[in-house]
Amino acid sequence: GQQLNQSPQSMFIQEGEDVSMNCTSSSIFNTWLWYKQDPGEGPVLLIALYKAGELTSNGRLTAQFGITRKDSFLNISASIPSDVGIYFCAGLSGGSNYKLTFGKGTLLTVNP
Amino acid sequence: EAGVVQSPRYKIIEKKQPVAFWCNPISGHNTLYWYRQNLGQGPELLIRYENEEAVDDSQLPKDRFSAERLKGVDSTLKIQPAELGDSAVYLCASSLDQGVMSSPLHFGNGTRLTVT
Repeated sequence: GQQLNQSPQSMFIQEGEDVSMNCTSSSIFNTWLWYKQDPGEGPVLLIALYKAGELTSNGRLTAQFGITRKDSFLNISASIPSDVGIYFCAGLSGGSNYKLTFGKGTLLTVNP
Repeated sequence: EAGVVQSPRYKIIEKKQPVAFWCNPISGHNTLYWYRQNLGQGPELLIRYENEEAVDDSQLPKDRFSAERLKGVDSTLKIQPAELGDSAVYLCASSLDQGVMSSPLHFGNGTRLTVT
């Protein structure tokens, strides 16, 4: 099946620093999504990307849909303590089976 | 609007026992999903419903897992009998329709199952 390689697996940063994480795949996706999951809660959608090359921002978050449609990155600028959590990328392939494939997540720790 | 509601939040059972999870999607959402999330992994789809019809259950281990969404609203996921490897968080999600481009998935907070 389709697999997403998400990196890094974990990050420890100081408050105020910028963060970058990415996902790559051997398969083409039509949509890339980035989710954040806090402990004991379900994933919450942060950003959705629908076109190759698309760059989208949501506050301090910026994500891009790679030109090859096989990768995406998420940047967080000026990190704050509440950015702590697990960030998942997810890819969606088209056709009649709308199956979302998730990466394994990046655990972000922000030291105040 | 109220989010996706799941119950129970936690469940601890002994292996070989049955267990059931319940999900109430966001009002008006036609598509309902059950995902399983193992520790340190991303969610993996088990089954997807369009109204009351299961349109994708290819990832559901049918020998022990079953699901239903009789009236096209709330849904239950059952495991019988449970095995040690079933320990995971079971997430329910819903969307207006199956097309993510028009409606993203909204997840519930999940049921954390521990099988001893």
